[in-house]
Amino acid sequence: KAGVTQTPRYLIKTRGQQVTLSCSPISGHRSVSWYQQTPGQGLQFLFEYFSETQRNKGNFPGRFSGRQFSNSRSEMNVSTLELGDSALYLCASSPPSGGSTDTQYFGPGTRLTVL
Amino acid sequence: AQSVAQPEDQVNVAEGNPLTVKCTYSVSGNPYLFWYVQYPNRGLQFLLKYITGDNLVKGSYGFEAEFNKSQTSFHLKKPSALVSDSALYFCAVRGSGGYQKVTFGTGTKLQVIP
Repeated sequence: KAGVTQTPRYLIKTRGQQVTLSCSPISGHRSVSWYQQTPGQGLQFLFEYFSETQRNKGNFPGRFSGRQFSNSRSEMNVSTLELGDSALYLCASSPPSGGSTDTQYFGPGTRLTVL
Repeated sequence: AQSVAQPEDQVNVAEGNPLTVKCTYSVSGNPYLFWYVQYPNRGLQFLLKYITGDNLVKGSYGFEAEFNKSQTSFHLKKPSALVSDSALYFCAVRGSGGYQKVTFGTGTKLQVIP
């Protein structure tokens, strides 16, 4: 099976712009989670979707939003970009059971740089 | 609120020596605990997880972790370190009540010295 894919891999934007990142989960996986990774902060949870419904949300401002489509692919959007949004954004998918014990499978990430 | 602490930003160990990467957690209810490894410019890879049962969990690449409920710890161990084990290691926890988010630690950089 193909792994989790994320596009684009690298992105450079300027302050005030908006950006959309895409994640395609492993075939058959219905849960997709998004994380922001920055040095010193580790992975910060953004949100999780299961069968097109947002199941959990982290402590990020409303500028960060996401959605999941019927084919389980997910997008996250960041509006009005700030310098502090520069980070590696990771997407992870989980097996169809959607249970709390499921292992997460991560994509390679999208490196966002805000200038 | 649940949390994970990885008290060491970096651990240095000589090749062939045993290694330990520490993790403590706080969660309401029973914990589900995970270890992931990240190599440079890559996403995270699953190593092992504790759900229930035997406190010693064995995972990929010869790694194992010991769950200690009284100390709320889940330390990652390997009997003999390899240079190729050098990477960033993350501990994560998810509570068992309802469907909760996964909380990750800040990561520990493991450097295995030849």
